[in-house]
Amino acid sequence: GENVEQHPSTLSVQEGDSAVIKCTYSDSASNYFPWYKQELGKRPQLIIDIRSNVGEKKDQRIAVTLNKTAKHFSLHITETQPEDSAVYFCAASSGNTPLVFGKGTRLSVIA
Amino acid sequence: GAVVSQHPSWVICKSGTSVKIECRSLDFQATTMFWYRQFPKQSLMLMATSNEGSKATYEQGVEKDKFLINHASLTLSTLTVTSAHPEDSSFYICSASYWTEGGEAFFGQGTRLTVV
Repeated sequence: GENVEQHPSTLSVQEGDSAVIKCTYSDSASNYFPWYKQELGKRPQLIIDIRSNVGEKKDQRIAVTLNKTAKHFSLHITETQPEDSAVYFCAASSGNTPLVFGKGTRLSVIA
Repeated sequence: GAVVSQHPSWVICKSGTSVKIECRSLDFQATTMFWYRQFPKQSLMLMATSNEGSKATYEQGVEKDKFLINHASLTLSTLTVTSAHPEDSSFYICSASYWTEGGEAFFGQGTRLTVV
């Protein structure tokens, strides 16, 4: 089955700097790669996703890149703000299979 | 996005009792629902996949007799933790999906279970 590795487990950045979180996946059949943000005690919220027919997607300060050959995808947050502090999870699935999540990255944005 | 409602949001129960958690898709019909368990500071671990009208598919290591899942309609799935013990204390969260081309999932707000 699918295995998703996520790095780093914790990340601290100064406000205004960029943050990058990387994930690798094992199943070449996976074609859907969402990123979720989870605040303490709350449900994960989808922040951006990318499908295998696209190499990059951007939404304001957030972007995701996908390299299918290398089986890795990354989340990029620019101009970070304190409210970006949360745990971020990457995930992968192949359409009709459950999402498999990475272990999460705790992002701290220091004002 | 679609709305998934989970109830209760928190529950405290005594050891040996059973607890039922409900997961509802409010504005769409969910052919498939998923149940996850999350320990503090850890990721979401898939427990089981629930398909409407059929038996749930459990992940390896998850006791199907302890975690009973019923998906009786396209908008409701329930997870019953039977004979709960303190080690069952955790954050349980469901997600629902109507199969788009990419498997998007929408999450309930989660249930924090504490067994005393």
